[in-house]
Amino acid sequence: KNQVEQSPQSLIILEGKNCTLQCNYTVSPFSNLRWYKQDTGRGPVSLTIMTFSENTKSNGRYTATLDADTKQSSLHITASQLSDSASYICVVSQNSGYSTLTFGKGTMLLVSP
Amino acid sequence: NAGVTQTPKFQVLKTGQSMTLQCAQDMNHNSMYWYRQDPGMGLRLIYYSASEGTTDKGEVPNGYNVSRLNKREFSLRLESAAPSQTSVYFCASVVYPTGTGPGETQYFGPGTRLLVL
Repeated sequence: KNQVEQSPQSLIILEGKNCTLQCNYTVSPFSNLRWYKQDTGRGPVSLTIMTFSENTKSNGRYTATLDADTKQSSLHITASQLSDSASYICVVSQNSGYSTLTFGKGTMLLVSP
Repeated sequence: NAGVTQTPKFQVLKTGQSMTLQCAQDMNHNSMYWYRQDPGMGLRLIYYSASEGTTDKGEVPNGYNVSRLNKREFSLRLESAAPSQTSVYFCASVVYPTGTGPGETQYFGPGTRLLVL
């Protein structure tokens, strides 16, 4: 069964600190992996997308890594800001067809002043 | 350019009542999706529409119907609401890459929060 597991479930960090969120998946065949940010009360917004051949992708203070061999990805947030408080969702897409996305449950990040 | 809009934002229903959730996009995308998001679970696909005039079941279609009214609008209907359908519902508009692009991009609406008593 295709699964996406994220850790930790929740995290509290101080403003200005860095953090790393983890995503492990068993989705096969693999097409791409995306990280979404979901602010409370809003829909998810795409941060990064990586294909099989990409190891790292950055979007400002967000850096995602992908190890397709071990089926692991991470999202690193540098110099956190209060506005980074949100749920971060890892989503893995299969190779073909529609409706082939598997969503993780998300990591809830709270950045404290 | 509003992106993806959803109405209503909040709704309370009694068991057995019916309602339609509306979704519209102004990005000229062919594909649109309906998801539900429950606490402690990832988003789950209810129905999707690959293009105008077509709809297909997703992972959790039971208790729902959809209509792709035109390219812009994709509605989700609960014919007889049940407490198990209490959830947050998201509509997404999807663009697929041309050529060798990295994959589809989903643009989500703000969600409809539904409580069924």
